[in-house]
Amino acid sequence: AQSVTQLDSQVPVFEEAPVELRCNYSSSVSVYLFWYVQYPNQGLQLLLKYLSGSTLVKGINGFEAEFNKSQTSFHLRKPSVHISDTAEYFCAVSGASYGKLTFGQGTILTVHP
Amino acid sequence: ETGVTQTPRHLVMGMTNKKSLKCEQHLGHNAMYWYKQSAKKPLELMFVYNFKEQTENNSVPSRFSPECPNSSHVFLHLHTLQPEDSALYLCASSQDTGRVNTEAFFGQGTRLTVV
Repeated sequence: AQSVTQLDSQVPVFEEAPVELRCNYSSSVSVYLFWYVQYPNQGLQLLLKYLSGSTLVKGINGFEAEFNKSQTSFHLRKPSVHISDTAEYFCAVSGASYGKLTFGQGTILTVHP
Repeated sequence: ETGVTQTPRHLVMGMTNKKSLKCEQHLGHNAMYWYKQSAKKPLELMFVYNFKEQTENNSVPSRFSPECPNSSHVFLHLHTLQPEDSALYLCASSQDTGRVNTEAFFGQGTRLTVV
């Protein structure tokens, strides 16, 4: 069984400040990890994914995440956020079946001017 | 345009109604998924189809009935729903369930309100 915990339900931050959205997972098998973003009234868009290889993964819109196996974490970071980054962010994990994703509860990122 | 289109975008239905949600993908994928997104709860996987065959039913009540006539289309038939079924229903597709080097693409969802 797999589970994902996003440690913060809401993260407020000022424009141009750095941000980190935290994600921890548990799984009994090898995992593949993802971050998705959901803008208001939209579906989910993939930001980045970790399948194998380098533990630092770069995604779209200047986001990156680091896979830490020992801490079972996959935190999302951005060095300088914009107003347009305001959205809900979901961490997800899959095992052998790729599209069968287990999602965290989501983190609402609000960027203030 | 994500390549996955869901209709309708919004639906209000009574508890005695019968309605259907439609999802279509133009990506040449073979796997399709239905997810439920309720307020303050994680997204829940409902059904998985791979090459038109249902491979997973995540203990979904029988008032939700999926149908997959071909790899490009999947429907979710709804009947005698409850108010707690009000949610955003998301469809997704991927190359197939056995490949790990592809991503799942999501539609924009159908916002369902049961009154």
